[in-house]
Amino acid sequence: NAGVTQTPKFRVLKTGQSMTLLCAQDMNHEYMYWYRQDPGMGLRLIHYSVGEGTTAKGEVPDGYNVSRLKKQNFLLGLESAAPSQTSVYFCASSYVPYNEQFFGPGTRLTVL
Amino acid sequence: GENVEQHPSTLSVQEGDSAVIKCTYSDSASNYFPWYKQELGKRPQLIIDIRSNVGEKKDQRIAVTLNKTAKHFSLHITETQPEDSAVYFCAAPEGYKLSFGAGTTVTVRA
Repeated sequence: NAGVTQTPKFRVLKTGQSMTLLCAQDMNHEYMYWYRQDPGMGLRLIHYSVGEGTTAKGEVPDGYNVSRLKKQNFLLGLESAAPSQTSVYFCASSYVPYNEQFFGPGTRLTVL
Repeated sequence: GENVEQHPSTLSVQEGDSAVIKCTYSDSASNYFPWYKQELGKRPQLIIDIRSNVGEKKDQRIAVTLNKTAKHFSLHITETQPEDSAVYFCAAPEGYKLSFGAGTTVTVRA
């Protein structure tokens, strides 16, 4: 039981490049979330999903897109990376909304 | 939407002393309040949570209290140890998601 995994762990992009972050969970959770964490800013929700085939915007969705084609996977895309998107990205999942969220190990992204 | 404020932003305590972190929320309908701990370079992990039908919950050296009238909840850590040094986040529900506080960096001095 791997829990929540994220790939890649680290990535450096140049401004304007694109990339996709993959989150996978093996706990059969319905709810999945993408957060970004910046120093002093806590955890800010980018997008989330309440089930396979669904997505919704969070607090800071601009510049990001997501897809949930399979229940176990939640993808976060950056179409044209900007230096302001330099951050640590965490994925999380939960069985129901008001219950423990299990976080992945994070992806450290630097945009030059 | 839900607005969660967390204080203090940093807290330094002597080993063996107690630490208290307080959070306030805005939505009186909120009924689930978790606390997460994030060690340096690691992922956040749930350490304790409380639901609105109880006023206090304890788990060894940590406890959470809830005051629904005043709309605030607090994390209490007793007999602090070096391994308690971390960033602590409170959260409150907002629709299908959680709204997190900005975090408290706790440093336990030996």
